[in-house]
Amino acid sequence: DTAVSQTPKYLVTQMGNDKSIKCEQNLGHDTMYWYKQDSKKFLKIMFSYNNKELIINETVPNRFSPKSPDKAHLNLHINSLELGDSAVYFCASSQGLGTGNINQPQHFGDGTRLSIL
Amino acid sequence: AQKVTQAQTEISVVEKEDVTLDCVYETRDTTYYLFWYKQPPSGELVFLIRRNSFDEQNEISGRYSWNFQKSTSSFNFTITASQVVDSAVYFCALRGTGRRALTFGSGTRLQVQP
Repeated sequence: DTAVSQTPKYLVTQMGNDKSIKCEQNLGHDTMYWYKQDSKKFLKIMFSYNNKELIINETVPNRFSPKSPDKAHLNLHINSLELGDSAVYFCASSQGLGTGNINQPQHFGDGTRLSIL
Repeated sequence: AQKVTQAQTEISVVEKEDVTLDCVYETRDTTYYLFWYKQPPSGELVFLIRRNSFDEQNEISGRYSWNFQKSTSSFNFTITASQVVDSAVYFCALRGTGRRALTFGSGTRLQVQP
């Protein structure tokens, strides 16, 4: 029944490691997003894909690489993890980019809490 | 550029009190969309409401109500007769026609004491 699911929920790892977070949505949406929530709870967009095509790429270190194998999946791979990468990462999805869809809400996964030791 | 300001960092009330969470936004888009999300202590983000810029009707849903005023660029959220379960961080967000991602405010942490 889960609409947007992220795995893992918790990720504890050491500096310098490479890790991936997976996201899947079963809502039939065309657009998916990755947001980062820092320790002060501030939420900021990182990436967005529409039908497997990258449409938003904010100022994010190139150690972060999103991958969308199909429109229902958007994974996030992070190389050479740093202390400052510790945060909660949220995946979200919404209906496509048509003008009729722009007012549709984004549906969020439960978040992945990444802790760098 | 788009900006959302939630000036209230934290609000503490006693159960059954009414509380209003403020949200002020900035955008150059003539058409835009406003949202409220709730983040309870468990951490997930729950969609509460959306409002289109061309629809200034206020909305009531149970104990929740929203007051959208385009003249003051505000989209405030009122909880009537607050309950402990309302304790959460509440985010106001904006989406313009030219940008598909949400611009979030910094959130307001609401604590409802029994």
